[in-house]
Amino acid sequence: ETGVTQTPRHLVMGMTNKKSLKCEQHLGHNAMYWYKQSAKKPLELMFVYNFKEQTENNSVPSRFSPECPNSSHLFLHLHTLQPEDSALYLCASSQGAGPQNYNSPLHFGNGTRLTVT
Amino acid sequence: AQKITQTQPGMFVQEKEAVTLDCTYDTSDQSYGLFWYKQPSSGEMIFLIYQGSYDEQNATEGRYSLNFQKARKSANLVISASQLGDSAMYFCAMREDNYGQNFVFGPGTRLSVLP
Repeated sequence: ETGVTQTPRHLVMGMTNKKSLKCEQHLGHNAMYWYKQSAKKPLELMFVYNFKEQTENNSVPSRFSPECPNSSHLFLHLHTLQPEDSALYLCASSQGAGPQNYNSPLHFGNGTRLTVT
Repeated sequence: AQKITQTQPGMFVQEKEAVTLDCTYDTSDQSYGLFWYKQPSSGEMIFLIYQGSYDEQNATEGRYSLNFQKARKSANLVISASQLGDSAMYFCAMREDNYGQNFVFGPGTRLSVLP
């Protein structure tokens, strides 16, 4: 399997549930990202991991908890979400920071469409 | 302040014609990268084309080209010979400091190709 794979594709959860989103990349990249895409809003960066270390947390509420066990896997743990958290959650990877990677684009997965009821 | 501006929420183009999607950006960095992505209704984000701030030539990739005007801080995407499959959302993105990791996206332009 190649590219960036996200599971599940769709998720419906209640406000008291706990669930996790999974992302896996087979591109040999060193950086992984979580973005949130809400209707009529630009993509919002949530978290960045570079070589498994979190390097960016964009003021995300604590009900979202990322985990990056290795450079190929990224999780987003969800608990006690609110209806306004309903959105498309996109995972991406890139070759990471460094002068040799200056033109490296983000490679995205297909996203998880989350609905919080 | 918004770093990436896409002033066209929606655009229409006739099949086989060319279309230009606007993007202006704001940065004080000397080194930065500009990217365009396509997002069909299925949701995946597809990388189209890249332009580095020090690149003297406009980037081209098949039917896609980038009209890069550094002094005006604009990086417009030109799609030639539009096809029905080009109907999608198009996002302009910037990575400041070419060595950085944070990509900032614009609000997007919805392109509809008419038969």
